[in-house]
Amino acid sequence: EVQLVESGGALVQPGGSLRLSCAASGFIFSDHYMDWVRQAPGKGLEWVGRSKNKFDSYTTEYAASVKGRFTISRDDSENSLYLQMHSLRTEDTAVYFCIMFLYGEPFWGLGALVTVSS
Amino acid sequence: DIQMTQSPSTLSAFVGDRVTITCRASQSVSTWLAWYQQKPGKAPKVLIYKASSLESGVPSRFSGSGSGTEFTLTISSLQPDDFATYYCQQYNTYSPYSFGQGTKLEIK
Repeated sequence: EVQLVESGGALVQPGGSLRLSCAASGFIFSDHYMDWVRQAPGKGLEWVGRSKNKFDSYTTEYAASVKGRFTISRDDSENSLYLQMHSLRTEDTAVYFCIMFLYGEPFWGLGALVTVSS
Repeated sequence: DIQMTQSPSTLSAFVGDRVTITCRASQSVSTWLAWYQQKPGKAPKVLIYKASSLESGVPSRFSGSGSGTEFTLTISSLQPDDFATYYCQQYNTYSPYSFGQGTKLEIK
Protein backbone atom coordinates (compact mmCIF):
# COMPACT_ATOMS: atom_id res chain seq x y z
CA GLU A 1 0.00 0.00 0.00
CA VAL A 2 1.42 3.36 -1.03
CA GLN A 3 1.80 5.83 1.81
CA LEU A 4 3.13 9.38 1.75
CA VAL A 5 3.55 11.24 5.03
CA GLU A 6 4.63 14.88 5.11
CA SER A 7 6.23 16.50 8.14
CA GLY A 8 8.03 19.66 9.14
CA GLY A 9 5.27 22.21 8.75
CA ALA A 10 5.55 25.22 11.07
CA LEU A 11 5.02 28.92 11.63
CA VAL A 12 7.96 30.88 10.21
CA GLN A 13 8.69 34.58 9.81
CA PRO A 14 8.93 36.24 6.40
CA GLY A 15 12.43 35.78 5.02
CA GLY A 16 12.91 32.60 6.99
CA SER A 17 13.66 29.04 5.96
CA LEU A 18 12.01 25.69 6.51
CA ARG A 19 12.48 22.11 5.32
CA LEU A 20 9.58 19.76 4.69
CA SER A 21 9.98 16.00 4.49
CA CYS A 22 7.87 13.34 2.81
CA ALA A 23 8.33 9.75 3.97
CA ALA A 24 7.28 7.25 1.31
CA SER A 25 6.48 3.54 1.48
CA GLY A 26 4.76 0.84 -0.54
CA PHE A 27 6.62 1.31 -3.83
CA ILE A 28 10.16 1.39 -5.23
CA PHE A 29 10.95 4.99 -4.39
CA SER A 30 13.98 5.41 -6.66
CA ASP A 31 11.94 4.40 -9.73
CA HIS A 32 9.45 7.24 -9.48
CA TYR A 33 9.06 10.95 -10.03
CA MET A 34 7.99 12.74 -6.85
CA ASP A 35 6.23 16.10 -6.82
CA TRP A 36 5.23 18.81 -4.38
CA VAL A 37 1.86 20.58 -4.70
CA ARG A 38 0.53 23.34 -2.44
CA GLN A 39 -2.77 24.94 -1.61
CA ALA A 40 -3.03 28.40 -0.07
CA PRO A 41 -5.97 29.00 2.29
CA GLY A 42 -9.21 29.18 0.31
CA LYS A 43 -7.38 28.80 -3.01
CA GLY A 44 -6.84 26.12 -5.66
CA LEU A 45 -4.05 23.61 -6.13
CA GLU A 46 -0.64 24.74 -7.39
CA TRP A 47 2.20 22.55 -8.59
CA VAL A 48 5.45 23.51 -6.81
CA GLY A 49 8.10 21.24 -8.27
CA ARG A 50 9.39 17.79 -9.12
CA SER A 51 12.24 15.39 -8.50
CA LYS A 52 12.63 12.98 -11.39
CA ASN A 53 13.80 9.41 -10.84
CA LYS A 54 17.21 7.79 -11.07
CA PHE A 55 16.64 6.96 -14.74
CA ASP A 56 16.29 10.68 -15.46
CA SER A 57 19.26 11.63 -13.29
CA TYR A 58 17.14 13.02 -10.45
CA THR A 59 16.56 16.21 -12.45
CA THR A 60 14.49 18.79 -10.62
CA GLU A 61 11.93 21.25 -12.01
CA TYR A 62 10.22 24.17 -10.30
CA ALA A 63 7.29 26.50 -10.69
CA ALA A 64 8.28 30.05 -11.57
CA SER A 65 6.82 31.28 -8.27
CA VAL A 66 9.38 29.32 -6.21
CA LYS A 67 12.37 28.94 -8.55
CA GLY A 68 15.57 30.11 -6.91
CA ARG A 69 14.06 29.98 -3.41
CA PHE A 70 12.95 26.35 -3.06
CA THR A 71 15.07 23.23 -3.57
CA ILE A 72 13.77 19.68 -3.92
CA SER A 73 15.99 16.76 -2.98
CA ARG A 74 15.55 13.10 -2.19
CA ASP A 75 17.29 10.32 -0.31
CA ASP A 76 16.48 7.02 -1.97
CA SER A 77 18.16 5.09 0.86
CA GLU A 78 15.62 6.62 3.26
CA ASN A 79 12.68 6.66 0.82
CA SER A 80 12.33 10.34 1.56
CA LEU A 81 11.63 13.50 -0.41
CA TYR A 82 12.51 16.97 0.83
CA LEU A 83 11.47 20.55 0.11
CA GLN A 84 13.94 23.14 1.34
CA MET A 85 12.33 26.57 1.38
CA HIS A 86 14.29 29.82 1.73
CA SER A 87 13.32 33.50 1.61
CA LEU A 88 9.78 32.60 2.56
CA ARG A 89 7.03 35.09 1.79
CA THR A 90 3.54 35.49 3.22
CA GLU A 91 2.17 34.20 -0.09
CA ASP A 92 3.97 30.87 0.50
CA THR A 93 1.50 30.17 3.32
CA ALA A 94 -0.17 26.92 2.27
CA VAL A 95 -0.65 23.25 2.90
CA TYR A 96 2.12 21.39 1.07
CA PHE A 97 1.42 17.92 -0.32
CA CYS A 98 3.80 15.37 -1.80
CA ILE A 99 2.30 13.31 -4.60
CA MET A 100 3.31 10.49 -6.92
CA PHE A 101 1.76 8.35 -9.61
CA LEU A 102 1.99 4.56 -9.70
CA TYR A 103 0.94 3.03 -13.05
CA GLY A 104 -1.06 6.19 -13.67
CA GLU A 105 -2.88 6.18 -10.31
CA PRO A 106 -2.32 9.25 -8.09
CA PHE A 107 -1.29 9.07 -4.46
CA TRP A 108 -1.23 12.04 -2.09
CA GLY A 109 -0.08 12.63 1.44
CA LEU A 110 -2.27 14.42 3.97
CA GLY A 111 -0.19 17.58 3.77
CA ALA A 112 1.92 19.82 6.00
CA LEU A 113 0.86 23.35 6.92
CA VAL A 114 3.37 26.14 6.43
CA THR A 115 2.40 29.53 7.80
CA VAL A 116 4.57 32.52 6.94
CA SER A 117 3.72 35.41 9.24
CA SER A 118 5.35 37.91 11.57
CA ASP B 1 3.18 24.58 -19.89
CA ILE B 2 -0.27 23.03 -20.19
CA GLN B 3 -3.17 25.16 -19.00
CA MET B 4 -6.33 23.53 -17.65
CA THR B 5 -9.66 25.33 -17.96
CA GLN B 6 -12.41 23.90 -15.78
CA SER B 7 -16.08 24.86 -15.93
CA PRO B 8 -18.31 25.83 -14.35
CA SER B 9 -16.63 27.44 -11.35
CA THR B 10 -19.80 27.05 -9.30
CA LEU B 11 -22.66 24.63 -9.78
CA SER B 12 -25.92 24.52 -7.85
CA ALA B 13 -27.93 21.31 -8.02
CA PHE B 14 -30.50 19.21 -6.18
CA VAL B 15 -29.98 15.83 -4.58
CA GLY B 16 -30.72 13.28 -7.29
CA ASP B 17 -29.61 15.52 -10.18
CA ARG B 18 -27.16 14.43 -12.86
CA VAL B 19 -24.28 16.90 -13.15
CA THR B 20 -21.33 17.28 -15.47
CA ILE B 21 -18.08 19.20 -14.96
CA THR B 22 -15.80 19.91 -17.91
CA CYS B 23 -12.05 20.30 -18.13
CA ARG B 24 -10.19 21.47 -21.22
CA ALA B 25 -6.41 21.23 -21.72
CA SER B 26 -4.46 23.73 -23.81
CA GLN B 27 -2.74 20.83 -25.58
CA SER B 28 -3.21 17.09 -25.66
CA VAL B 29 -2.57 15.19 -22.43
CA SER B 30 -3.74 11.86 -23.91
CA THR B 31 -5.61 10.27 -20.98
CA TRP B 32 -3.28 11.52 -18.23
CA LEU B 33 -6.14 13.24 -16.42
CA ALA B 34 -7.39 12.82 -12.86
CA TRP B 35 -10.43 14.13 -11.03
CA TYR B 36 -10.47 14.92 -7.30
CA GLN B 37 -13.06 15.77 -4.69
CA GLN B 38 -12.01 18.04 -1.84
CA LYS B 39 -13.80 18.98 1.36
CA PRO B 40 -12.65 21.79 3.70
CA GLY B 41 -9.53 20.98 5.66
CA LYS B 42 -8.93 17.70 3.85
CA ALA B 43 -6.51 16.49 1.20
CA PRO B 44 -7.95 15.97 -2.29
CA LYS B 45 -9.57 12.57 -2.72
CA VAL B 46 -8.96 10.69 -5.96
CA LEU B 47 -12.15 9.90 -7.87
CA ILE B 48 -10.98 9.14 -11.41
CA TYR B 49 -7.54 8.59 -12.96
CA LYS B 50 -6.37 7.96 -16.50
CA ALA B 51 -9.45 9.93 -17.57
CA SER B 52 -11.96 7.14 -16.97
CA SER B 53 -10.63 4.67 -14.36
CA LEU B 54 -12.70 4.68 -11.19
CA GLU B 55 -10.60 4.75 -8.03
CA SER B 56 -11.18 1.80 -5.73
CA GLY B 57 -13.91 2.49 -3.20
CA VAL B 58 -15.42 5.42 -5.12
CA PRO B 59 -19.15 5.01 -5.83
CA SER B 60 -20.11 4.06 -9.38
CA ARG B 61 -22.26 7.20 -9.75
CA PHE B 62 -18.97 8.97 -10.54
CA SER B 63 -17.63 8.53 -14.06
CA GLY B 64 -15.04 10.20 -16.26
CA SER B 65 -14.62 10.40 -20.00
CA GLY B 66 -12.53 12.10 -22.65
CA SER B 67 -9.07 12.10 -24.15
CA GLY B 68 -6.72 14.58 -25.73
CA THR B 69 -7.96 17.99 -24.64
CA GLU B 70 -11.60 17.54 -23.56
CA PHE B 71 -12.66 15.73 -20.40
CA THR B 72 -15.80 15.41 -18.32
CA LEU B 73 -16.67 14.24 -14.82
CA THR B 74 -20.28 13.11 -14.42
CA ILE B 75 -22.15 12.37 -11.21
CA SER B 76 -25.21 10.41 -12.21
CA SER B 77 -27.38 11.04 -9.15
CA LEU B 78 -26.14 13.57 -6.61
CA GLN B 79 -26.01 12.48 -3.00
CA PRO B 80 -25.72 14.80 0.03
CA ASP B 81 -22.09 13.72 0.57
CA ASP B 82 -21.15 14.87 -2.96
CA PHE B 83 -21.41 18.59 -2.22
CA ALA B 84 -17.75 19.62 -2.29
CA THR B 85 -15.15 21.19 -4.58
CA TYR B 86 -13.90 19.24 -7.60
CA TYR B 87 -10.59 19.64 -9.43
CA CYS B 88 -9.12 18.17 -12.57
CA GLN B 89 -5.38 17.60 -12.96
CA GLN B 90 -3.30 16.76 -15.99
CA TYR B 91 -0.22 14.67 -15.28
CA ASN B 92 1.68 14.45 -18.50
CA THR B 93 5.23 14.18 -17.16
CA TYR B 94 6.69 16.09 -20.14
CA SER B 95 5.16 19.17 -18.54
CA PRO B 96 4.63 20.50 -15.03
CA TYR B 97 1.43 19.10 -13.59
CA SER B 98 -1.45 21.56 -13.69
CA PHE B 99 -4.90 21.82 -12.20
CA GLY B 100 -8.22 23.26 -13.14
CA GLN B 101 -9.46 26.21 -11.10
CA GLY B 102 -11.99 24.05 -9.27
CA THR B 103 -15.77 23.64 -9.32
CA LYS B 104 -17.71 24.26 -6.12
CA LEU B 105 -20.80 22.05 -6.12
CA GLU B 106 -23.52 23.54 -3.93
CA ILE B 107 -26.92 22.36 -2.77
CA LYS B 108 -29.81 24.14 -4.50
